[in-house]
Amino acid sequence: AQSVTQLDSHVSVSEGTPVLLRCNYSSSYSPSLFWYVQHPNKGLQLLLKYTSAATLVKGINGFEAEFKKSETSFHLTKPSAHMSDAAEYFCVVSLKRGSARQLTFGSGTQLTVLP
Amino acid sequence: DAGVIQSPRHEVTEMGQEVTLRCKPISGHNSLFWYRQTMMRGLELLIYFNNNVPIDDSGMPEDRFSAKMPNASFSTLKIQPSEPRDSAVYFCASSLVGVQEQFFGPGTRLTVL
Repeated sequence: AQSVTQLDSHVSVSEGTPVLLRCNYSSSYSPSLFWYVQHPNKGLQLLLKYTSAATLVKGINGFEAEFKKSETSFHLTKPSAHMSDAAEYFCVVSLKRGSARQLTFGSGTQLTVLP
Repeated sequence: DAGVIQSPRHEVTEMGQEVTLRCKPISGHNSLFWYRQTMMRGLELLIYFNNNVPIDDSGMPEDRFSAKMPNASFSTLKIQPSEPRDSAVYFCASSLVGVQEQFFGPGTRLTVL
């Protein structure tokens, strides 16, 4: 079975400081992993994805994530937080069910950026 | 690029009423997904379609929920009769079959009184 765990339900950082949102996954084979962001009252937007190519993945808005197989982690980082980064972030694993693939979402991490 | 379109954006109804949520996927996408988001349960996949055919509806909570996709550019999610516990944000997403990233609509916030 595959699953994804987001270790922090809330993270608060000051503007201009680094962001770290943690995600661990469990999978019986090499997974495909994603980070999505959801701003208030909006739909989910894809930030970045890992699909067994480079382990360091660059996404939009300065976000990056590193796939570490030995640690079964896919943490999301950004060197310097901006007020507009305040949102909920979802770590997602692609799950194969039958002949198709589906997304399984983590419980989400709410990021607050303080001025 | 219009993105995934959902309507209505907000729906308030009374218990027992029928509710119909609508989704127009991105043109050319042939997979469509319906999700429900609540504080208690997070994001849950309800049902998805490939090429207008329902593939997996195991996430549909009960017989009160039904979904259809009569053509490649339109899908509905119907709840009949609605109950207060159905209150949630319902998202529609689309993708190309075999491509893993999905594109989400803005959601429909349903409140059942």
